[in-house]
Amino acid sequence: NAGVTQTPKFQVLKTGQSMTLQCAQDMNHEYMSWYRQDPGMGLRLIHYSVGAGITDQGEVPNGYNVSRSTTEDFPLRLLSAAPSQTSVYFCASSPDRGAGNTIYFGEGSWLTVV
Amino acid sequence: AQSVTQLGSHVSVSEGALVLLRCNYSSSVPPYLFWYVQYPNQGLQLLLKYTSAATLVKGINGFEAEFKKSETSFHLTKPSAHMSDAAEYFCAVSDGSGTASKLTFGTGTRLQVTL
Repeated sequence: NAGVTQTPKFQVLKTGQSMTLQCAQDMNHEYMSWYRQDPGMGLRLIHYSVGAGITDQGEVPNGYNVSRSTTEDFPLRLLSAAPSQTSVYFCASSPDRGAGNTIYFGEGSWLTVV
Repeated sequence: AQSVTQLGSHVSVSEGALVLLRCNYSSSVPPYLFWYVQYPNQGLQLLLKYTSAATLVKGINGFEAEFKKSETSFHLTKPSAHMSDAAEYFCAVSDGSGTASKLTFGTGTRLQVTL
């Protein structure tokens, strides 16, 4: 049972480069989201999607882009990487938008921007 | 706006001792509350959640939490700590406003368990 799968697990980027963090879930979940985790700040929501073709901004969306062409995939794009985007990124999913649903997390992607 | 405050970024207990991790929330509507655990270099795993049913919620690995509306608290407890409980714990709130579920996380509490 794969759950939420993120790739790559580790990545080093140079300032100004672009890249895509991949996320896939095999649970047929409608709701998917991306968080970043920084020391002493917990997790903060970047973008989320309530279904294929529908995305919206979270708390810290600047510098990131998302799309949701299928139910399974929700890639996160860094348009022009900056050192401030050095972080651990988590993709997550839940069955639907219900606020009481359990959210399932991937194992994280460690990104360093130099 | 909803928010979560976790008191104590680091907590150290002896093996076999009581674990108490504190969480206070702020929400303008009845909240849904969660505790997640994160082991080193891993993602977050749900420990337990409160969704307006019983105020005492039992979770995995012997943890439980009690929702106290009057104190706006949702503290996590375990009667007897085990070495395997060493991890970071996050409290989170979802406002249940009917829009897409968006968790607001606390800053986390790192639990250390000593012999």
